[in-house]
Amino acid sequence: GAGVSQTPSNKVTEKGKYVELRCDPISGHTALYWYRQSLGQGPEFLIYFQGTGAADDSGLPNDRFFAVRPEGSVSTLKIQRTERGDSAVYLCASSLNGAGGGSPLHFGNGTRLTVT
Amino acid sequence: DQQVKQNSPSLSVQEGRISILNCDYTNSMFDYFLWYKKYPAEGPTFLISISSIKDKNEDGRFTVFLNKSAKHLSLHIVPSQPGDSAVYFCAASVGLANKLIFGTGTLLAVQP
Repeated sequence: GAGVSQTPSNKVTEKGKYVELRCDPISGHTALYWYRQSLGQGPEFLIYFQGTGAADDSGLPNDRFFAVRPEGSVSTLKIQRTERGDSAVYLCASSLNGAGGGSPLHFGNGTRLTVT
Repeated sequence: DQQVKQNSPSLSVQEGRISILNCDYTNSMFDYFLWYKKYPAEGPTFLISISSIKDKNEDGRFTVFLNKSAKHLSLHIVPSQPGDSAVYFCAASVGLANKLIFGTGTLLAVQP
């Protein structure tokens, strides 16, 4: 079946603008995660949804970042007043019912965000 | 504070030989460990995992070893193949339904 789909694959925006990044998880997966990967680093956790609710948003760096998953499927990561330091690859992942070895995360190919 | 550390940014091995990738962690609460493989312009792909109640898990050419007392795990690939060339990330979690903490990755190059 289809994997995790992320759109757009690339996004270039000017400093101060608002952006939305979309994630379509694998059908039936209740858990959805957003990660951010900067150059030379591993993926850094941002937020985790179980169904429609954010179960853990401790990784969001500040209040410019917000994510929603209104119907428990598609999720949107929203970044307000973008800064150059927000430039990174934003990865979305889903799993059947949670992280860990019992239900590994399946990642999308990411959205490369460049803030100029 | 880096809770999961991969101290070797890169590793080069000959085709057919063993590749050993290492990972250290600091949080003794971690009870699930995973290895992911990543090709350029793609998302990480799950490779193999191990629970803290085990010290070894094997899947084909891939074996993960866990040494809880040393807070160390390693991934062995044998025999290594050119298609194994990728970045390998070690990750850990506390419990099954929680976020994964990733290391910084090791770039493996398998030379034909």
